[in-house]
Amino acid sequence: DGGITQSPKYLFRKEGQNVTLSCEQNLNHDAMYWYRQDPGQGLRLIYYSQIVNDFQKGDIAEGYSVSREKKESFPLTVTSAQKNPTAFYLCASSIGEDGQETQYFGPGTRLLVL
Amino acid sequence: SQQGEEDPQALSIQEGENATMNCSYKTSINNLQWYRQNSGRGLVHLILIRSNEREKHSGRLRVTLDTSKKSSSLLITASRAADTASYFCATADMNRDDKIIFGKGTRLHILP
Repeated sequence: DGGITQSPKYLFRKEGQNVTLSCEQNLNHDAMYWYRQDPGQGLRLIYYSQIVNDFQKGDIAEGYSVSREKKESFPLTVTSAQKNPTAFYLCASSIGEDGQETQYFGPGTRLLVL
Repeated sequence: SQQGEEDPQALSIQEGENATMNCSYKTSINNLQWYRQNSGRGLVHLILIRSNEREKHSGRLRVTLDTSKKSSSLLITASRAADTASYFCATADMNRDDKIIFGKGTRLHILP
């Protein structure tokens, strides 16, 4: 099955803790993205990567970090600096990063603060 | 920043009726896409319309694009209960290196 997977489905974070959300794709896509979605809202771009070992900040990067060591993987770390992390996080990928192609989304991770 | 704004925010119709959602945007675009999201799930791509196209069809979906008015509409004909979802427009902003920007979505509820 080709696709994009995210894990875990639910994640709980304690005060002051860093947590990492996993995103893996086997579509051989160059570009990958992380979005945050709050209830009743659209998607806001956190980080994106066009190629391995390169990534760019999106509109709301503060309090988050990413890495792109492999083409297939784009993990997102929510750091303790992110004071309001409770949200639904969506990872996506596309063939290239020029806005011309469809984005394929994972099923999402819901992050909750204890 | 949000560019696409969907209208209405929420829509309830009877099964079998047609559903129309609108999207307005602010800047010049290369293309506009519509996505669907079932509750608590990821987004699924429905259709892409390029800036030089005015209308596009895919099954029960019909999308129009009016670049002079900076607006698009998504029509779902003969709605079904399974069409209940949120629908988002996404624009590739030419002024931001074609970054895709999503609107806040229209929540569509099909009544049995």
